[in-house]
Amino acid sequence: GQNIDQPTEMTATEGAIVQINCTYQTSGFNGLFWYQQHAGEAPTFLSYNVLDGLEEKGRFSSFLSRSKGYSYLLLKELQMKDSASYLCAVSSETMTARQLTFGSGTQLTVLP
Amino acid sequence: DTEVTQTPKHLVMGMTNKKSLKCEQHMGHRAMYWYKQKAKKPPELMFVYSYEKLSINESVPSRFSPECPNSSLLNLHLHALQPEDSALYLCASSPGIRVSGDYNEQFFGPGTRLTVL
Repeated sequence: GQNIDQPTEMTATEGAIVQINCTYQTSGFNGLFWYQQHAGEAPTFLSYNVLDGLEEKGRFSSFLSRSKGYSYLLLKELQMKDSASYLCAVSSETMTARQLTFGSGTQLTVLP
Repeated sequence: DTEVTQTPKHLVMGMTNKKSLKCEQHMGHRAMYWYKQKAKKPPELMFVYSYEKLSINESVPSRFSPECPNSSLLNLHLHALQPEDSALYLCASSPGIRVSGDYNEQFFGPGTRLTVL
């Protein structure tokens, strides 16, 4: 089975840096995704890690350690529009399909 | 076209009604997914179609019936739903599980907000 943990809520100030952690236990690991979801909208893709290390993409970076079952999403130069839920999702592969299992999401509030 | 579309955007139905949700993508993706999302909760996987064949059914009640008529379309037929089935239903697609070099990002549609009275 899958077990994914991330903090429920975080608050940060505009212009600051915030790190959202995710720990997971899974079988058939095939990569870890981070998605952003604004209230009432569909999740949008932010990043993907399958090998250990840091992936940087503009203001967003994501890190993975497979041996520790740990990932984080780093958001720099926070903007008000970054207030959203951030979902950590583990990809696993069966014989016939890949599937994503989502963590419960971290609701980030950016304050002026 | 890098979009997944879903219709309708909103649906209100009674417990005796039969309705269908529709999802379409024209990115040539061969895997399509239905998720159910309740308020303040993550998406929960319901079904996966891989190359137009149902490959994963996450113990979903039979009142939900998926259908994949072709590689671009995915339907979810609803019958005799319960009020607790009210949720946002998300469709997603991805290139497919056997595509070399692909990391299988899932593209989500905007969802159908379903209310069962």
